[in-house]
Amino acid sequence: EVQLVESGGGLVQPGRSLRISCSASGFPFGDHAMGWFRQAPGKGPEWVGFIRSKAHGGTAEYDASVKGRFTISRDDSKSIAYLQMNSLKTEDTAVYYCSRDGDFGFDFWGQGTLVTVSS
Amino acid sequence: EIVLTQSPGTLSLSPGERATLSCRASQSVSSSYLAWYQQKPGQAPRLLIYVASSRATGIPDRFSGSGSGTDFTLTISRLEPEDFAVYYCQQYGSTPITFGQGTRLEIK
Repeated sequence: EVQLVESGGGLVQPGRSLRISCSASGFPFGDHAMGWFRQAPGKGPEWVGFIRSKAHGGTAEYDASVKGRFTISRDDSKSIAYLQMNSLKTEDTAVYYCSRDGDFGFDFWGQGTLVTVSS
Repeated sequence: EIVLTQSPGTLSLSPGERATLSCRASQSVSSSYLAWYQQKPGQAPRLLIYVASSRATGIPDRFSGSGSGTDFTLTISRLEPEDFAVYYCQQYGSTPITFGQGTRLEIK
């Protein structure tokens, strides 16, 4: 059974950093790109970025709203994807989800972790 | 950036009725990489349809997707009580990956 579990969310002050994790199980993690999405309270989902599998270069792409502040990485030996968030802003407040990029789309999602940016 | 516009914003129907949800893209979606998601309060989005018309694993056959290019449709043939939720379309054929603003399907 595919499982994705996010962790590391919490309350952080504007301008500070936070790293959240996505632990995966039930599938060959290294074979899949992994995506990060977020959803602000009362809003629709929004793409943050994704990281390709090592077989496809292992590179990452980001939405313009987070490029230069957020970094996605992966540790295939531990089946974990990370989202490092720097210079956080109040508008980054959201539930953050990780998702597996299946053959034709983002097919499995975690339950999400809440990040609140506030002073 | 491809902008997705969903209509209607809210759809009020009764169980047993047919629901038709629309998603229009500002430019052609590459390889019909258009997905539909269902989301209920407090839950993550759930993939229903990918590449415009293929049902994801475990999705009942009352859900169907159609369309290509810039116009896509999600149809629920006969509404069950558990189908009342918010539905989002998403294009993943080019970055940035984008979502529509959602259609709320509510019980009439």
